[in-house]
Formats: sequence, C-alpha cells, structure tokens
Amino acid sequence: GQSLEQPSEVTAVEGAIVQINCTYQTSGFYGLSWYQQHDGGAPTFLSYNALDGLEETGRFSSFLSRSDSYGYLLLQELQMKDSASYFCAVINQAGTALIFGKGTTLSVSS
Amino acid sequence: DSGVTQTPKHLITATGQRVTLRCSPRSGDLSVYWYQQSLDQGLQFLIQYYNGEERAKGNILERFSAQQFPDLHSELNLSSLELGDSALYFCASSPRQGDGYTFGSGTRLTVV
Repeated sequence: GQSLEQPSEVTAVEGAIVQINCTYQTSGFYGLSWYQQHDGGAPTFLSYNALDGLEETGRFSSFLSRSDSYGYLLLQELQMKDSASYFCAVINQAGTALIFGKGTTLSVSS
Repeated sequence: DSGVTQTPKHLITATGQRVTLRCSPRSGDLSVYWYQQSLDQGLQFLIQYYNGEERAKGNILERFSAQQFPDLHSELNLSSLELGDSALYFCASSPRQGDGYTFGSGTRLTVV
C-alpha cells in the first residue's frame, strides 16, 4: 500500500518562508503531488514532481528526492491567504488514483 | 467554478437512511474519483471510475456503492447511515488516471 507522513501543523508570519515536508512509502512510484485546501473548500492542485529536483511556480516551489522518498513544498513571501491545509499525494499501486496524506494546516499570522 | 459539479451541497439525514450524492465531471474528463473527508482528517480515497468502469477501490465501506453512467456523471450511494458517516464527500475528475485532478465543491453530509 501507500503511506504518507507530513506534519499536522505549521505556523509562520506574513512575509516569511515555510517548508512543509512529506515522506512517503509506496510501490511503483509515479510522482508526488501537492494540493491546497482552504477551510471547507475544494482542494486545488498546486504542483507535481515526477523527477528529482525543484519545480518553481511563483511563490510556491516543490522538491522531490526519489532516493529518499521525500519531498517538500516551499512557500515564500507568505500571505494571510496562504493559511490553508496542504496535502501531499502519491498515485496508488494500480496507478489510477491519488492517495493523500493527512494534510498540514498552515496558519499565517500578521 | 471548477467545472466539476456536485449536488446537493448540503444534506442532513437520519441514521439508518440512504442517500445519493451526484457528481458531474469536467467536460472531457473520463475519470471520476470519490473521497471522504471527516473532521480534521485527510482525504480518504473511496472509489474510482474510468469511462464507466470501476478501476480502483480504496477504503470504501460495504454500505457504500457507486457507479458511473454513460454520460460520465457518477453517483455515490450511502446506505444504513451511521453518525460516523458525517463528512465532506468530494468528487474529482481528471482527463487521465491518477493525475490532473479537479475537485468539486463537495457535499457536506450530516447524519443525526
């Protein structure tokens, strides 16, 4: 099966940089995805890493190390609106559906 | 509007009852996925359909079932409801299996 571990909570102040880590165990690795979910809202896609290295999209970056079964989401120049839950996810063994971690709640204060 | 439509948005029902949640995927997407999110819990994968066929099952209870129709919309049926079934139920669709998810806004089910 698949399992993912990520911290349950992270706090930071506006303008800061925060890193949300994710370690995973899976057979047949296809890539690591990140989703953002504001309270009660629909999860939205942030990034996807299939290969090792850093992918940058604006203020958000995502990193993957397949040899370490580890990835992280880096959020820079934090804003209040970044307060949300962030989920890492891997594709299931059948290669058909995403399995999500329990999520990290990010609280940004002024 | 994400393009994935879920109805109803809210549902309150009593224990022991049966409900049906509906999902219309984004135009052109063949895969539909159902997830359950309980309070302070992550997104638990329930079941996936691709072009009308069941493709993968996750932690779906035997009291729950789903199907995808020829027009690609999907329904999740929850029966013999228990208090613990209260949760947000999300549907997602994608053009490919396992990638490029677009989520609907969810159905909030409250069992009383």
